[in-house]
Amino acid sequence: GENVEQHPSTLSVQEGDSAVIKCTYSDSASNYFPWYKQELGKRPQLIIDIRSNVGEKKDQRIAVTLNKTAKHFSLHITETQPEDSAVYFCAAPYNTDKLIFGTGTRLQVFP
Amino acid sequence: GAVVSQHPSRVICKSGTSVKIECRSLDFQATTMFWYRQFPKKSLMLMATSNEGSKATYEQGVEKDKFLINHASLTLSTLTVTSAHPEDSSFYICSARDYRRYEQYFGPGTRLTVT
Repeated sequence: GENVEQHPSTLSVQEGDSAVIKCTYSDSASNYFPWYKQELGKRPQLIIDIRSNVGEKKDQRIAVTLNKTAKHFSLHITETQPEDSAVYFCAAPYNTDKLIFGTGTRLQVFP
Repeated sequence: GAVVSQHPSRVICKSGTSVKIECRSLDFQATTMFWYRQFPKKSLMLMATSNEGSKATYEQGVEKDKFLINHASLTLSTLTVTSAHPEDSSFYICSARDYRRYEQYFGPGTRLTVT
């Protein structure tokens, strides 16, 4: 089955700095990789995703990169702001429909 | 678009009673819905996959007779926690997948407390 590992578990950055979160997956058939942001007590929100036919995708301050050969993908947040503070989860699909989530990264952005 | 609602948001029940949680896709049809459980400061643990019109598929270690799932329509799935015990207290979140797309969208979650 799919196994998703996520690092780091916690990340503290100064406002304006960049933050990078990395995930690895095991199933070479996986073809869709979403990232979710979850604020305390709230639902996970899909913030960006990437399909296996591209290597990078950007949306304003957020970007995701994918290396299929190495089976890893990363979330990059530039010019971080305090409101970026949250828990971020990566995920990879298993058996077409199911998503297996990483263990999460708690990001703290200090003003 | 892609709005998923979940009801109730919070519920407190006594040990031995059953609780039903509803998950609805409001503006799209969801042939597949998923039920997760999340412990404090932990990741999302998939409990079961709910397919419209068929039996749910449960993950290993999840008791299907305890967590009853029904997906009677393309916009509604329900999770019933039967004979609840304090160890069932948790944050339960559903997600729904638009049958035309890859993305999954989450409901706001239900915090269950069993006393």
